[in-house]
Amino acid sequence: AQTVTQSQPEMSVQEAETVTLSCTYDTSESNYYLFWYKQPPSRQMILVIRQEAYKQQNATENRFSVNFQKAAKSFSLKISDSQLGDTAMYFCAFMKPKFTSGTYKYIFGTGTRLKVLA
Amino acid sequence: DAGITQSPRHKVTETGTPVTLRCHQTENHRYMYWYRQDPGHGLRLIHYSYGVKDTDKGEVSDGYSVSRSKTEDFLLTLESATSSQTSVYFCAISPDNNEQFFGPGTRLTVL
Repeated sequence: AQTVTQSQPEMSVQEAETVTLSCTYDTSESNYYLFWYKQPPSRQMILVIRQEAYKQQNATENRFSVNFQKAAKSFSLKISDSQLGDTAMYFCAFMKPKFTSGTYKYIFGTGTRLKVLA
Repeated sequence: DAGITQSPRHKVTETGTPVTLRCHQTENHRYMYWYRQDPGHGLRLIHYSYGVKDTDKGEVSDGYSVSRSKTEDFLLTLESATSSQTSVYFCAISPDNNEQFFGPGTRLTVL
């Protein structure tokens, strides 16, 4: 079974600094997707960035980028120029493209609570 | 933002009572999901639907049932609520069983 591990329950960073959130996963699949979701205090789940496993190039979305190491099964999120609005819980998620009987598609980590300090 | 709403947004109920949560979408997406979020567990899939009247179990389906009689509505029912079902419930939708878009969540408290 697939698992997703976020080993940092809480982190803090000074405004304008850079922070990296770690995520590791375990799977025997070769074709899958990885996501980072942000959950601010409003509780809304917001997609931050996604990575297809078949792509070697790391995904980037403005100040957010990932370091995807497929062999190491690592998928870290880097936030550059941190802003107060980045304060949120961040979830790493693993997904494989097709359902198979008795399994499920999205597997979430337990989250990292990030606080950006003024 | 994807057109997805959940009702109610907050509910307090007593042990043993039935509860139904509603997820409504205006996107005409085929796939719909129900998750629960608990501290230390992230989000866990309860049930999902891959079309009208087509549903299947997720990771934590015991004590829950679902129904989808229309594309736009996905109902989650707790037949007899228990305190262990106190949680925040999220609905999600997806056009292609790929990227998911989440609703605002429902906070359910079972006393």
